[in-house]
Formats: sequence, C-alpha cells, structure tokens
Amino acid sequence: GEDVEQSLFLSVREGDSSVINCTYTDSSSTYLYWYKQEPGAGLQLLTYIFSNMDMKQDQRLTVLLNKKDKHLSLRIADTQTGDSAIYFCAERAGGFKTIFGAGTRLFVKA
Amino acid sequence: DSGVTQTPKHLITATGQRVTLRCSPRSGDLSVYWYQQSLDQGLQFLIQYYNGEERAKGNILERFSAQQFPDLHSELNLSSLELGDSALYFCASSRDRGRTDTQYFGPGTRLTVL
Repeated sequence: GEDVEQSLFLSVREGDSSVINCTYTDSSSTYLYWYKQEPGAGLQLLTYIFSNMDMKQDQRLTVLLNKKDKHLSLRIADTQTGDSAIYFCAERAGGFKTIFGAGTRLFVKA
Repeated sequence: DSGVTQTPKHLITATGQRVTLRCSPRSGDLSVYWYQQSLDQGLQFLIQYYNGEERAKGNILERFSAQQFPDLHSELNLSSLELGDSALYFCASSRDRGRTDTQYFGPGTRLTVL
C-alpha cells in the first residue's frame, strides 16, 4: 500500500546543516513535497520536486530524490533557530491522494 | 498567508454534541481536503471534494460528514463527539489541474471535546 515514513526527531546546532529523510512506497508517485509546520500554525508548502528530477535547490533548501530507492531528503543549509518546526514529507500517489508522513520535529540548538 | 481560511479558530464543546467547521479555499481552487491532526495519530486525511463532488475518502468516521457548496466553500460536520475527537482539523485546497495538485493549508480549527 501507500506509505510515507520519516524519522520523528532531529536535533542540530545553529549554523549546521540539517538533513531530513523520507522514504515512500508508491513507485507511481509523480510529485513529492516538503511542508513545514510551526507551532500552532497550518502546514506551509516549502518546496516540491517532480519525480523525473534528481535535485532541486531553492536558496537554503536542497531536495534530493533517489527514485530507485524511493528516498527523498531535505537539506537546510545554515540552520537557524527559526527553522525549528515539524517537517512533513508527502507524495502525490496514484489516483487522487496525497500521502503525508508523520512529520520530523527539528530542534535547533543555539 | 496561504489564502485558505477556516472558522472558527478554536472550538470547545462537550461529548455527544455536534459541530460544524467551515473552510473557504483559495480563489480559483476547485479541490478541498480535510485532515485531522492529533498527537498520537499524526496527520490523517479525511476526505476530498472537487467542484462539489466527493472525490476521495480517507480515514473518516461515519459520525463525520462533509460537503462542498456551489461557491466552493466546504463544511465538515462532526457529530456524537467523543473525547478522542479532540484535535486540530485542517482544510487544504488545490487547483487540481494537471498532476501537481499542490495543496495549500488553512490555519486549522482546534477542537476540544470535554
């Protein structure tokens, strides 16, 4: 079935890079997304990547996609305390469904 | 600001009651999605409407129902409420053209059932 898995927690120091990983199961996924949720707020779309791309960069964010291994990662360069949030990976699976992972809670230590 | 609005922001009610949550999608978006986020279950997809018609169903309980109106706003009705229904309820909308279907989320309604 369709499933998206992420590790639950990640802790990094301010200024370091953060790498949040995600695996998915549906090989027919067309788009993969990263969303950010700050405390008390809704999910905010950060970036997305089409399944025929390997990499997408947007300022401090780099998304890497390994379609063979069904692995997606989000790298945040020069992580700041304001990056502390929950990050959700999601896949646009077959049919009309977008499947979300459970979210990775990123803690940034000053 | 995503352009998706949800009301009310907070709702406190008692077990056995019925509530209605409202969502207005971004201008031009035809699809509306409802999600439930609780501490132990993560983000659960409930249901999707496209241009007034139900399109996809997720883990939605029979006590819950939704509809999308001609002006494309949507309502989620929760009845016979139980303590375990306490959660954040999010609405999202998308253009639903092509395969991108990028969803934009509202700020959520926090439901507390006492």
